Amino acid sequence: AQTVTQSQPEMSVQEAETVTLSCTYDTSESNYYLFWYKQPPSRQMILVIRQEAYKQQNATENRFSVNFQKAAKSFSLKISDSQLGDTAMYFCAFMSANNLFFGTGTRLTVIP
Amino acid sequence: KAGVTQTPRYLIKTRGQQVTLSCSPISGHRSVSWYQQTPGQGLQFLFEYFSETQRNKGNFPGRFSGRQFSNSRSEMNVSTLELGDSALYLCASSMVLAGAGTGELFFGEGSRLTVL
Repeated sequence: AQTVTQSQPEMSVQEAETVTLSCTYDTSESNYYLFWYKQPPSRQMILVIRQEAYKQQNATENRFSVNFQKAAKSFSLKISDSQLGDTAMYFCAFMSANNLFFGTGTRLTVIP
Repeated sequence: KAGVTQTPRYLIKTRGQQVTLSCSPISGHRSVSWYQQTPGQGLQFLFEYFSETQRNKGNFPGRFSGRQFSNSRSEMNVSTLELGDSALYLCASSMVLAGAGTGELFFGEGSRLTVL
């Protein structure tokens, strides 16, 4: 069965600093997608970044980048130059065969 | 372009009652998925509808049901409510089946259900 584990329930970071959120997953599939979603307080969840498993190059979206280690089944999110607007719940998600599995989330607080 | 709209945003029910939640997807999106979000469990997949047919179902009891209309709007129903059903229920839409495309889902703000 597919599982997604986020071992850091809460994290904090100083504004302008860099923070890394961890995610591991378990699957026997070879083709899949990985995602990081962001859920700001009382706002809609939005997609932050996406990684295709067959691509070796790590995805990057402006200040957000991932470290995808397929063999280790690890998919961490790095946020550079953290901003107050980055305060949110972050969910790691795995998709394969019409199913999307989410982790339990990491609550990130950016401190001014 | 309007986003995903969920109604009602908040509601309070008592044990044993039933509840119906509504979701209007982004115009042109044919897939609607439902998730239950609780602090301890994160997001758990309930079901996905595409072209008025349930295409995928999570591991929830039969008290949880849904349907999709010809205009892609979807409703989910929970019967015989239990205290443990208190949660934020999220709806997400996509143009194609969630697992068939790039996987990007567009979420609504959710319906927060409290069961007393």
